[in-house]
Amino acid sequence: ELKVEQNPLFLSMQEGKNYTIYCNYSTTSDRLYWYRQDPGKSLESLFVLLSNGAVKQEGRLMASLDTKARLSTLHITAAVHDLSATYFCAVDNRGSQGNLIFGKGTKLSVKP
Amino acid sequence: KAGVTQTPRYLIKTRGQQVTLSCSPISGHRSVSWYQQTPGQGLQFLFEYFSETQRNKGNFPGRFSGRQFSNSRSEMNVSTLELGDSALYLCASALEETQYFGPGTRLLVL
Repeated sequence: ELKVEQNPLFLSMQEGKNYTIYCNYSTTSDRLYWYRQDPGKSLESLFVLLSNGAVKQEGRLMASLDTKARLSTLHITAAVHDLSATYFCAVDNRGSQGNLIFGKGTKLSVKP
Repeated sequence: KAGVTQTPRYLIKTRGQQVTLSCSPISGHRSVSWYQQTPGQGLQFLFEYFSETQRNKGNFPGRFSGRQFSNSRSEMNVSTLELGDSALYLCASALEETQYFGPGTRLLVL
């Protein structure tokens, strides 16, 4: 059974600091996704990582994938308050992109 | 392009009732998936449809069912509602690698 674990589950940061969220998964998978969710809102797609060594960056967020270690990271650079949200990683189950297994999410709070 | 739409956005039902939720995917997307989100269990996969066929099903009881129409719109039905079915139900559509999520239907079972 595919399992996805994120850590930390809660993260309180000061503006301007850097931090990394980790996502481990238990079995081989073709794709890894990162989503953002604001309170009371739906999921917004941030990154899709498709191969070993893939790295994608958007603004202050950078995601990477190591399929051999079954590990993805979401690195936050010089955090700002607008990044406060819950971040989820997800892995496709049995090769089906329509069947995602999600981590429990990391609730990020960026304080001035 | 318009995004994924879901109706209704909010719903209150009582135990034992049934409910039908609707999802319209992004135009051209043929894959539709449904997820349940609760504070305790997080995001859990319900089912996936592609070209009117159920392609995958999550670990939910038979009270949860769904279908997809020829225009790719999808519905999910929950019969004999239980208190634990209170959740945010999210629909997502996909064309290639990325799933795009709708705003969700928030169901409260009293």
